[in-house]
Amino acid sequence: DTTVKQNPRYKLARVGKPVNLICSQTMNHDTMYWYQKKPNQAPKLLLFYYDKILNREADTFEKFQSSRPNNSFCSLYIGSAGLEYSAMYLCASSRLGAYEQYFGPGTRLTVL
Amino acid sequence: GEKVEQHESTLSVREGDSAVINCTYTDTASSYFPWYKQEAGKGLHFVIDIRSNVDRKQSQRLIVLLDKKAKRFSLHITATQPEDSAIYFCAASPSNTGNYKYVFGAGTRLKVIA
Repeated sequence: DTTVKQNPRYKLARVGKPVNLICSQTMNHDTMYWYQKKPNQAPKLLLFYYDKILNREADTFEKFQSSRPNNSFCSLYIGSAGLEYSAMYLCASSRLGAYEQYFGPGTRLTVL
Repeated sequence: GEKVEQHESTLSVREGDSAVINCTYTDTASSYFPWYKQEAGKGLHFVIDIRSNVDRKQSQRLIVLLDKKAKRFSLHITATQPEDSAIYFCAASPSNTGNYKYVFGAGTRLKVIA
């Protein structure tokens, strides 16, 4: 099973409120990634977990948090949503030493 | 850091013709170049990749070409079919980033006209 699952598929949030997105995979992959995708733009890497080590991209360092309670699950947390957070959030995973990343279907976040 | 430019934002071809999508990258350290396909309402799905130790790779109707000198790579879809209609993303991954981080292009929307 090469499925990456994301919940919810659609999320409506109010400005200033927190948002928590969930990703899971059962492939025992070491690394899990979160990307942000806005219309007509490239998917942008926000952060990734290698095992239990969180790596956040420099320009999104303070905007997003994440946790990985076990190998299968990874969350993306926004403490206070702003309008600019409206986007598709894509989760992916990969096996140590392998280049290929497997993507989930995404969560479409709309902030009002 | 690495930047990837995907030159065609939209592309329309007739069924049976070939489609070519071109990408360029900036970081000479990049050594892995995957292509992903996104169909409506779905996530990104891997279609083909190429590593820097070769300059051509084929998988059925898909051909990837890599020109390291020009820092350019391209996806050729031959004998296109309506189900090839989708958004295609190219990406580059510098080999020195350890966890194979991807830098994506902005995507090409391919429409195959029957």
